[in-house]
Amino acid sequence: NAGVMQNPRHLVRRRGQEARLRCSPMKGHSHVYWYRQLPEEGLKFMVYLQKENIIDESGMPKERFSAEFPKEGPSILRIQQVVRGDSAAYFCASSTGQSDTQYFGPGTRLTVL
Amino acid sequence: AQSVTQLDSHVSVSEGTPVLLRCNYSSSYSPSLFWYVQHPNKGLQLLLKYTSAATLVKGINGFEAEFKKSETSFHLTKPSAHMSDAAEYFCVPGGGYQKVTFGTGTKLQVIP
Repeated sequence: NAGVMQNPRHLVRRRGQEARLRCSPMKGHSHVYWYRQLPEEGLKFMVYLQKENIIDESGMPKERFSAEFPKEGPSILRIQQVVRGDSAAYFCASSTGQSDTQYFGPGTRLTVL
Repeated sequence: AQSVTQLDSHVSVSEGTPVLLRCNYSSSYSPSLFWYVQHPNKGLQLLLKYTSAATLVKGINGFEAEFKKSETSFHLTKPSAHMSDAAEYFCVPGGGYQKVTFGTGTKLQVIP
């Protein structure tokens, strides 16, 4: 059973461009969580999704950030018009249910030039 | 709501000596608790979890943690540190709605 997969592992964007981060949960997992880790900081919750539903996006910045988890395919975290402050590692986790253990992917490291 | 406090932001041990990473929790009910490890430039890996089945929980890589209700603690230990243990460790509350926020963790340095 493959673990949580994220791609790309490294992403470089110039200011103003869009960044798309993908997360494929573990097989059988229908709950996905996104976290952001700024340099020298801990992980901060961004959004919790189930298939086709956003359950909690209270950790998402109000502008430029959006997330989806379609019926088919990976979960996508989209950042529009990136700024230097968006440079961070973005981690995705998945679980079988909302009370169950979260398993993390290797992360996508976004660098905004 | 549950919360945890990791008492040390940095711990330094010599290779071959015991490791103790401290975590205290506060909860009005029996919690579930997790320890995760993050190696440099890597994602988080689950070390072990406590879900009230047994107070002494054994995890991967020789780590274990003991849930002590009287002390509201869930400290992570390992008898003998290895260089590969150098990483950041997170004690995380779980259970209920999984909107987990990780603190800055404890950075473990292993000195040769």
